[in-house]
Amino acid sequence: KAGVTQTPRYLIKTRGQQVTLSCSPISGHRSVSWYQQTPGQGLQFLFEYFSETQRNKGNFPGRFSGRQFSNSRSEMNVSTLELGDSALYLCASRDRVIGEAFFGQGTRLTVV
Amino acid sequence: AQTVTQSQPEMSVQEAETVTLSCTYDTSESDYYLFWYKQPPSRQMILVIRQEAYKQQNATENRFSVNFQKAAKSFSLKISDSQLGDAAMYFCAYRENSGGSNYKLTFGKGTLLTVNP
Repeated sequence: KAGVTQTPRYLIKTRGQQVTLSCSPISGHRSVSWYQQTPGQGLQFLFEYFSETQRNKGNFPGRFSGRQFSNSRSEMNVSTLELGDSALYLCASRDRVIGEAFFGQGTRLTVV
Repeated sequence: AQTVTQSQPEMSVQEAETVTLSCTYDTSESDYYLFWYKQPPSRQMILVIRQEAYKQQNATENRFSVNFQKAAKSFSLKISDSQLGDAAMYFCAYRENSGGSNYKLTFGKGTLLTVNP
């Protein structure tokens, strides 16, 4: 089985732009969650999606949004990028009923 | 809100020796899970070991074992016979047992483990 795939692996954007990150979960996994990892704040939960519905949301501004498609693939979007949004964004998928989350290798976003 | 604290930003160990990484947490819940994740330079988070709060027996996975002290809210990871491949950032994490819904991991800040040959 293929693991969790995140694209792109690296991204450089300019302040004020918007960005979309993609996550393809493990086949059969219907839950996808997103985390932001920075040196200062560590790993912080962004949101979780299941069956195209957001089930849980972390404490992030409305500039951070996401969605999930019928094939369970998920995207997260950050609008009006700020320098502080530079981070590693990790996606994790899991079987909703049982099991723990499996993580992808992340997308490294740099805002300049 | 739940919090997870790792008081050791960095640790080092000699190859083949044993090292213990510390973690404490704070929660008012009685039913939850605790984890240790490993993040090597490849950046992928890998689950090392999991502990259910209702189980008194400490979890073990090969060379990795935990010391779970529920009353003290302590959850340490012991790595025996350390190998060069164990070098990584280690994160302690917590989640409530919400019956499959509301899945959210709360992480500590991590401990960078160096293994010296």
